[in-house]
Amino acid sequence: DTAVSQTPKYLVTQMGNDKSIKCEQNLGHDTMYWYKQDSKKFLKIMFSYNNKELIINETVPNRFSPKSPDKAHLNLHINSLELGDSAVYFCASSHRSYNEQFFGPGTRLTVL
Amino acid sequence: GQQLNQSPQSMFIQEGEDVSMNCTSSSIFNTWLWYKQDPGEGPVLLIALYKAGELTSNGRLTAQFGTTRKDSFLNISASIPSDVGIYFCAGPHMRFGAGTRLTVKP
Repeated sequence: DTAVSQTPKYLVTQMGNDKSIKCEQNLGHDTMYWYKQDSKKFLKIMFSYNNKELIINETVPNRFSPKSPDKAHLNLHINSLELGDSAVYFCASSHRSYNEQFFGPGTRLTVL
Repeated sequence: GQQLNQSPQSMFIQEGEDVSMNCTSSSIFNTWLWYKQDPGEGPVLLIALYKAGELTSNGRLTAQFGTTRKDSFLNISASIPSDVGIYFCAGPHMRFGAGTRLTVKP
């Protein structure tokens, strides 16, 4: 059974397009996160949701919009994709905010 | 904001050797977490520390929460090829260190 799943695994798209990445966790956790990992492997928190409410919104362009339809899902929608958005995006979840996290397998986004 | 400094940036060791890496923060932490990321995968939690001075082991891995509450150490004993990967420390509010890339030569 997959604990934290993301789709798609790979996403290749043109500049200016809009795309979404989906995340689901079956661990019963109440907090979910999105991270961006750049080419140097640096992991940066983007968003954190607790019980469907946004609790962290780091300095992220407003082209990025997280949506949490329920506690088990946190999707990431990106408008007007730019070259610099190319990265691996990880979803994660935890039992409580800022606690031990379980990560998904990542979505490698390539913007051409 | 919080600054996390992780060192070394990379390590190349021979199978069987012991490994040490550490993280320091610019502020006092109440939590230190250590993760490992295999190529093409998401990070996996190795050890969580919640108390200053705490020493916790997970197999050949041992991590310590520094007594100043501004640092933490991860040691790997008798390394094996599958220890290869990137090791991250993390503190509260999900700030991650830059990672230590470990290469183990058979």
